[in-house]
Amino acid sequence: GENVEQHPSTLSVQEGDSAVIKCTYSDSASNYFPWYKQELGKRPQLIIDIRSNVGEKKDQRIAVTLNKTAKHFSLHITETQPEDSAVYFCAASIRGTYKYIFGTGTRLKVLA
Amino acid sequence: EAGVAQSPRYKIIEKRQSVAFWCNPISGHATLYWYQQILGQGPKLLIQFQNNGVVDDSQLPKDRFSAERLKGVDSTLKIQPAKLEDSAVYLCASSSTSGGRYFGPGTRLTVT
Repeated sequence: GENVEQHPSTLSVQEGDSAVIKCTYSDSASNYFPWYKQELGKRPQLIIDIRSNVGEKKDQRIAVTLNKTAKHFSLHITETQPEDSAVYFCAASIRGTYKYIFGTGTRLKVLA
Repeated sequence: EAGVAQSPRYKIIEKRQSVAFWCNPISGHATLYWYQQILGQGPKLLIQFQNNGVVDDSQLPKDRFSAERLKGVDSTLKIQPAKLEDSAVYLCASSSTSGGRYFGPGTRLTVT
């Protein structure tokens, strides 16, 4: 069945450094890839998304890249700040549906 | 713009008891989702509504879980009877036809 793998499961970076989280997906027909940030005890919040007709999207310190051939996409956070500390989930749409498959999450810790 | 509302925020019940959760989506969002998020995992879709019709309930344990969205707006999710493994956060989310998914604050259910 459809699957989304996410790496790494945990990531620690120094404040100001960049963080990169990678996901791979199995369904070649997936066409929508959102990223969610979930702080401890809070709801997942959509922070950026990308559709399959573009290769990169940027929003201030956050960017997402998509490689359809290799079926992977990545979240890039530059100039990390302590408030970026959270669990980040990627997701990929399933062929012909609005259904997502979520990745297993990456716990990002930004060290001050 | 008001977000997705859910109640209650917390619920503790004993196994074999019943429980119901309520969700009010973002105004104008036709699609409503119920997710189960077990600690340390990504959200798992239980059921998806498009207006008041069920689009996908393939992962809903129908012997004990039920959900409805009678007027195409609010929705309720019920568990009867609850099991220990149902302890999780139940997240409601909504989306417009082509937009991203926005999550509510969730209901943290503890079954003892």
